[in-house]
This record gives sequence, structure tokens and C-alpha cells, in this order.
Amino acid sequence: DADVTQTPRNRITKTGKRIMLECSQTKGHDRMYWYRQDPGLGLRLIYYSFDVKDINKGEISDGYSVSRQAQAKFSLSLESAIPNQTALYFCATSDLQADTGELFFGEGSRLTVL
Amino acid sequence: GQNIDQPTEMTATEGAIVQINCTYQTSGFNGLFWYQQHAGEAPTFLSYNVLDGLEEKGRFSSFLSRSKGYSYLLLKELQMKDSASYLCAVQDSNYQLIWGAGTKLIIKP
Repeated sequence: DADVTQTPRNRITKTGKRIMLECSQTKGHDRMYWYRQDPGLGLRLIYYSFDVKDINKGEISDGYSVSRQAQAKFSLSLESAIPNQTALYFCATSDLQADTGELFFGEGSRLTVL
Repeated sequence: GQNIDQPTEMTATEGAIVQINCTYQTSGFNGLFWYQQHAGEAPTFLSYNVLDGLEEKGRFSSFLSRSKGYSYLLLKELQMKDSASYLCAVQDSNYQLIWGAGTKLIIKP
């Protein structure tokens, strides 16, 4: 089983619908992140959390919200989806104690908003 | 603004050597990462450089020059499975990662 698990892996929805992407991890890491990836662009940070009580906006947080339900769970919500939120979304974790801050990614959630 | 530049696409031959360059302009520097991403899959960590010089890991090496804002990833003895995108990312003064758009490497037999 993957250490960082995302659900759903693929989702097609309509404009205006509420969508939740879920992420859970078994790595025991405190830090969790949500990124989106678009063709021709680098990964862009949406939100990140350094522990259960810590939530921070990233580069492109508008139109998104998150919830850190537990150390192991970090959910991303689109309250009212729009077509330009069509993208590949990645959850990632990192270990506060690690020397390098290496990120461990989930397998991705491909979202299409029609 | 902060910027990471790397070539969009490169082609190389199986068994050969290829060098993927990355130049960066960021507010501060706390390390540079290379990740590999196969099509439709998650990025996976390849290397981390924080000091100038060459870091070698098997067939892969990564070089950093902080004064030039430059790094490269060197892949030797290329294999077909090395066909993937290679992502360069820099940690800025706030320890936030700034990502390049990635270089798609195509390996031909």
C-alpha cells in the first residue's frame, strides 16, 4: 500500500459543485501539502500544514479550503468548482526532522470540471 | 519575481549521457532538489544540493553553483525507463519550494 494515499484518483464534475479531495499518510510526518500541476507549469502550492493546528495559504489558495482532521489526514475542498480548476492535484508530506525536507507525494487526483 | 528555468524537452539515446540544466532566481536559497516524474505518476525524489559541487548517486549526479544560480542533473548509461520528466525545485529564504515546469526527457533506442 502507498504511504501517501489520495482519493479519489479521478473525478469529473460540473461547474458549481462542491468537491473534496482526501489525503491520508502512514509515514508519521507532521507536514502535509496540497499542490496542483498544470501542463507547462511547475507544481504550485495551494495550502500547507505543519501540524494539526497549523494551516497556511500557499501561492494559489483562492477558491480552495483545507482541513487537517488528524496528523495523518489533510483534505482539500473546492467549494464551488470552476473549469480552470481542472488539474492534477498532489498531496505530499515531509518530515520535520529530515535534513533535506524531501517531499513524499501521493499518486495524484485528476480533477476535471466541466 | 522568483523564477526557475529548465528546457521543456530533451531527446537522448539509450546508453548515452544527458545533462539537464536548471537556472534559478529566487529570494534566498536553502537548497535545490531534483525529482523524477513518470507520465501520470507522482514525482519522486532524486537529489538534494545545498553546497556547491557535485553529488553522485549511482547513474545520476547533480551539480550546484550558487554564485551562478545554476544546477544540472547528469544521467549516465541511459535506460529506456529513464524516459520521464525531471523537475528542478529551489527552497527559498522562507523554505518554500519554487518549482520549474520540468524537462521531458525522451530516450530513443
